Amino acid sequence: LAKTTQPISMDSYEGQEVNITCSHNNIATNDYITWYQQFPSQGPRFIIQGYKTKVTNEVASLFIPADRKSSTLSLPRVSLSDTAVYYCLVGPMNRDDKIIFGKGTRLHILP
Amino acid sequence: KAGVTQTPRYLIKTRGQQVTLSCSPISGHRSVSWYQQTPGQGLQFLFEYFSETQRNKGNFPGRFSGRQFSNSRSEMNVSTLELGDSALYLCASSLARRGGPHPRNEQFFGPGTRLTVL
Repeated sequence: LAKTTQPISMDSYEGQEVNITCSHNNIATNDYITWYQQFPSQGPRFIIQGYKTKVTNEVASLFIPADRKSSTLSLPRVSLSDTAVYYCLVGPMNRDDKIIFGKGTRLHILP
Repeated sequence: KAGVTQTPRYLIKTRGQQVTLSCSPISGHRSVSWYQQTPGQGLQFLFEYFSETQRNKGNFPGRFSGRQFSNSRSEMNVSTLELGDSALYLCASSLARRGGPHPRNEQFFGPGTRLTVL
């Protein structure tokens, strides 16, 4: 399983775009990159998943460079309700492999 | 469609006791995973069940066990409780597709059971 490194915490202001970068230098060819969001006292919630280039959904965008050694979760125009912990996961496509969560990035949105 | 439900939501036990937590997955989901979350260790994988069989296990002592029933509902049990077992226990369900390769399916988490061991 590829090890991931992300900032422990980040602060931003309402209305700003927030970019959280995750490093995964030893990502394997068949690894996908997945991001989850967790609010206090709740279980994590899937945000977005990608393999290469750019993926966008109604919540966020995921940018993955050609070497795939890092990825950036982009949250457009954040609000106070985006205050949460964001987890970057890197894992293979094999459905039998367990999912490992790291420490995540604690994002704090200020008014 | 109803989400993942976990019961009970809160539980207080004393050291040495045992506890059983229950998880009902989203209808149609056959994979159920359990996680322990503490402030110090973060979110840690306990085990995963699929079709009543444990197919993945984390690095937890044998006091932690689980099972899955034919309707995909799952229970986890912790025996001889220790103070350090105080945590939020999360259950997640997902569809399990056959064949591949394909990315790991999205996991849907329940609200968790907050266990306090005194």
